Amino acid sequence: EAEVAQSPRYKITEKSQAVAFWCDPISGHATLYWYRQILGQGPELLVQFQDESVVDDSQLPKDRFSAERLKGVDSTLKIQPAELGDSAMYLCASTEAASSYNEQFFGPGTRLTVL
Amino acid sequence: AQSVTQPDIHITVSEGASLELRCNYSYGATPYLFWYVQSPGQGLQLLLKYFSGDTLVQGIKGFEAEFKRSQSSFNLRKPSVHWSDAAEYFCAVNSGGYQKVTFGTGTKLQVIP
Repeated sequence: EAEVAQSPRYKITEKSQAVAFWCDPISGHATLYWYRQILGQGPELLVQFQDESVVDDSQLPKDRFSAERLKGVDSTLKIQPAELGDSAMYLCASTEAASSYNEQFFGPGTRLTVL
Repeated sequence: AQSVTQPDIHITVSEGASLELRCNYSYGATPYLFWYVQSPGQGLQLLLKYFSGDTLVQGIKGFEAEFKRSQSSFNLRKPSVHWSDAAEYFCAVNSGGYQKVTFGTGTKLQVIP
């Protein structure tokens, strides 16, 4: 069964360092999402891609976060510099198309700890 | 703006007992509603979804949910809980368009023998 892949699964870093997370969506899925999930809360959308284009990054802290999906397939989310408050689970999800009917398939996430 | 409220942060039930997890949404039109489950350290898995039609929807793992427009609710139910159902459950709403989904804060389910 096709799955969304994410790496690394766990990342520990010190504040002010740079970190990067990678996501490979299900093959053929045009829409890709990055969510941040703080412990005890629901996922919050950071950025949404349709193919290689960003369609929503209104909640992305652009002074330190960046995201790209250069060829419209896999994607990278970067934080530079990391802050203590960035400690969270970072989830990637994909859908076949940006339709309200479509189920989002989630990857296992990357657990980030900033010391 | 759309929003989702899950009033119960933590629920404990005995194995074999019935379960109901509450979800209330705020949105002007008919929303698209979802329930997801998240096991510890894992991503989210869709249990069921509602878009239109029959207000009682069936999902995977024996779960069902009922959409009640008059109460703005979409409660999740299961007649007999298994120990493997222990997880965190998230209700979510989507108002359409480019499918920006808003998640609730989640309900953590504990199952005791």
